[in-house]
Amino acid sequence: GQNIDQPTEMTATEGAIVQINCTYQTSGFNGLFWYQQHAGEAPTFLSYNVLDGLEEKGRFSSFLSRSKGYSYLLLKELQMKDSASYLCAVFNSNYQLIWGAGTKLIIKP
Amino acid sequence: IAGITQAPTSQILAAGRRMTLRCTQDMRHNAMYWYRQDLGLGLRLIHYSNTAGTTGKGEVPDGYSVSRANTDDFPLTLASAVPSQTSVYFCASSDSSSENTGELFFGEGSRLTVL
Repeated sequence: GQNIDQPTEMTATEGAIVQINCTYQTSGFNGLFWYQQHAGEAPTFLSYNVLDGLEEKGRFSSFLSRSKGYSYLLLKELQMKDSASYLCAVFNSNYQLIWGAGTKLIIKP
Repeated sequence: IAGITQAPTSQILAAGRRMTLRCTQDMRHNAMYWYRQDLGLGLRLIHYSNTAGTTGKGEVPDGYSVSRANTDDFPLTLASAVPSQTSVYFCASSDSSSENTGELFFGEGSRLTVL
């Protein structure tokens, strides 16, 4: 089967750094996405990785290792508004998007 | 409007009733999708459409139907609602041209409760 694993919940402190991991087993790979979803709202796009390495976008960075089936989302200088769920999703060889269940990130003052 | 619009935002429905969730986008995206989101589970694809006039089944299509008569609209119909269809439904679209990553743009969601 195909699956995406990410922690259910994480807690971090305002101003700190947090890393959210995602491991995947899919039939082929054509890219990995991270989305942010605030409670009661729609998911919004954060990042896309198709090649190995780190993609940086402001306070957020996303890393990919295709050989390890592994990605992480790194959030720096955490703000209260970063409290949300973070969804990892992978395009498989058929360009089907396989979704993880999401990681709920709680930011404490 | 700019983006993707869903209606209704919330609905309580008696089991056995027919219900259509509406979705409209104004971005001229060729691909559209319907997902359901349930607590503790990832987004699950119900149906999709790669282009106007074509549709396909996703991971959990049973009990649902869709149509894609034009580029902008992609309604989802529950022919006879059952309590297990209680969920939050998201419509999404993407521009799947080669220049694009395939990023999805989501509507605000429709919260459906079937009693």
